[in-house]
This record gives sequence, C-alpha cells and structure tokens, in this order.
Amino acid sequence: EPEVTQTPSHQVTQMGQEVILRCVPISNHLYFYWYRQILGQKVEFLVSFYNNEISEKSEIFDDQFSVERPDGSNFTLKIRSTKLEDSAMYFCASSPLGGSTEAFFGQGTRLTVV
Amino acid sequence: QQQVKQSPQSLIVQKGGISIINCAYENTAFDYFPWYQQFPGKGPALLIAIRPDVSEKKEGRFTISFNKSAKQFSLHIMDSQPGDSATYFCAASLRTDKLIFGTGTRLQVFP
Repeated sequence: EPEVTQTPSHQVTQMGQEVILRCVPISNHLYFYWYRQILGQKVEFLVSFYNNEISEKSEIFDDQFSVERPDGSNFTLKIRSTKLEDSAMYFCASSPLGGSTEAFFGQGTRLTVV
Repeated sequence: QQQVKQSPQSLIVQKGGISIINCAYENTAFDYFPWYQQFPGKGPALLIAIRPDVSEKKEGRFTISFNKSAKQFSLHIMDSQPGDSATYFCAASLRTDKLIFGTGTRLQVFP
C-alpha cells in the first residue's frame, strides 16, 4: 500500500538553528500539506502546496517557515531559526484531490528544540 | 467559527460494546468531515469520511452519523475491539486545503 514517508523520525536541534524536514508524498498525489501536533494537543494545519506554490497557509506559518518541492518526489519544510515552541510532531500529508479529500499522513518527524 | 468541538476527551469501553464520539461545528460552509485514527507514535490515518448531503455512512464496524440541522456528526464503533484503542480525531474542511481538527478522543477498549 502506498504511503507518505518522512525523514528523519526524530530531530533534536539547538534553538536558533535551521532544520529541514523531509517528506516523500504518495507518487500520484498532487496536493501536499504540512501539519504539526504539539504533544497531547490537536493536529494543526500549517501549509498546503499545489502546482509548485503555496495554496494556503495558517497564521502559524510565519516567515521562519518555508516549503519546497526541490524535485519530482520530495517535499520539504524548512524552519530557519528554531524556537523552543517549535518542538512538536510535524506531519506531512498528500492528497490526490484538492479540498483535503483523502489526505494521507506520514508517520511524522518529532522535532525537539533545546 | 472555524473550530470543531469534540467530546468526550477520553472513553473507556468494554470489548464488544459501542463507542460513540461526538463532534460539533459552527461554520455551515464546511463540506467534508473525515475521522482519523491515530496510534501512539504514528500519523493520523483516515478512517471514514462524509459529505453533508448524506446523513449516514457505514464502513464495516465504523459509522458516521451526520445531523446537518444540529451541526453535529458522530463516529460509532460497533463491536469495539482492543485493537481499536487509539486516539480519534474528527475534522472538517471548508472547500479548501485546510483540515480543521477536533481536540481528539482517547479510546480504550478493555477485554
């Protein structure tokens, strides 16, 4: 069964450092998303990406964040200068259709900022 | 208006029982309502979804009941099994790419 793959599974970084979280979406999907989940809390939308551009972003997704699809398979989330409050599970998702329909999530990257 | 309220926060059910999780929303423009199941350390997995033009959708032991006038929808798990023990999230989408999640329900099914 096709799945969304995320690497690394766990990333520890010092405050102020840049991190790049990587995702390989399901191959025939066209819509890509990043969500985050602070420990014990609900899943929150960060950004959606279609046709090589951001289609929607939340208020959380400020200038410290950026997304990129550098080639035909990878989808990355970059946090330029990490803060303690960026510590969370980050989930990549992809969907064959728009409107969040049938969005499949990866297993997540646990980001710990120390 | 963008919130999805979910209850209960936790639920304990005996094996073979019915688990019921409820969600409520305010924005009548929401047009897609999925339920996700999440096991510890894993990402949310799509379980079942419904659109507001139907009142019920059933897939195996899982049923979504949708009440458009009350702006509520619920997940029913029939014949609950220990393997169903997980956190369940309802969500809603506003014809956009953003899923708005509820706060989650931790379900524990005891043998």
